[in-house]
Amino acid sequence: AQKVTQAQTEISVVEKEDVTLDCVYETRDTTYYLFWYKQPPSGELVFLIRRNSFDEQNEISGRYSWNFQKSTSSFNFTITASQVVDSAVYFCALSEAYSGAGSYQLTFGKGTKLSVIP
Amino acid sequence: DTAVSQTPKYLVTQMGNDKSIKCEQNLGHDTMYWYKQDSKKFLKIMFSYNNKELIINETVPNRFSPKSPDKAHLNLHINSLELGDSAVYFCASSQDRGLTYNEQFFGPGTRLTVL
Repeated sequence: AQKVTQAQTEISVVEKEDVTLDCVYETRDTTYYLFWYKQPPSGELVFLIRRNSFDEQNEISGRYSWNFQKSTSSFNFTITASQVVDSAVYFCALSEAYSGAGSYQLTFGKGTKLSVIP
Repeated sequence: DTAVSQTPKYLVTQMGNDKSIKCEQNLGHDTMYWYKQDSKKFLKIMFSYNNKELIINETVPNRFSPKSPDKAHLNLHINSLELGDSAVYFCASSQDRGLTYNEQFFGPGTRLTVL
């Protein structure tokens, strides 16, 4: 069975600091997908990134970057120069290989609440 | 243009009542989902439908019954509501392209409070 662990329940940083959110996953599949979603205080879930298990390249998007390491089953998320608007709950999620139409289901970690203090 | 919409946004009701939450997506996706987010923010899949057919049915009480009248709609009906049903319910959709997984787009959520 698949599992996602986000060990950091809450993190507080001062604005402009860098912060890394950890995500460790477990899966028996060799083909899988990893995701990060952001849930701001308003409650909606915002898709941030998708990564498949065959693509270990790190990705950077503006102040956001992701470090995928299969050797340690980790998919960590770093925010550089954090801003107050980054305050949210961040979820890491995993979906295992395709096993039929409609079978992609996301298994979420418990989320990390990030508070950026001005 | 709202991609995935849910109604109502807030639902407050008494224990024992029956209620429905509606979900509609205008993305042309063929797969829709219901997730439950509890008070500790934990998100868990409840159901998955593909082309109106139930694919995933996690361990959910049978008081919860999803209904998909067409590909664009997936409604959630809950009978005999209990206090523990209080949560935020998210609808999501994605385009199932076989071996290529595409991200799920989530609705705004429906906050259900059972008194």
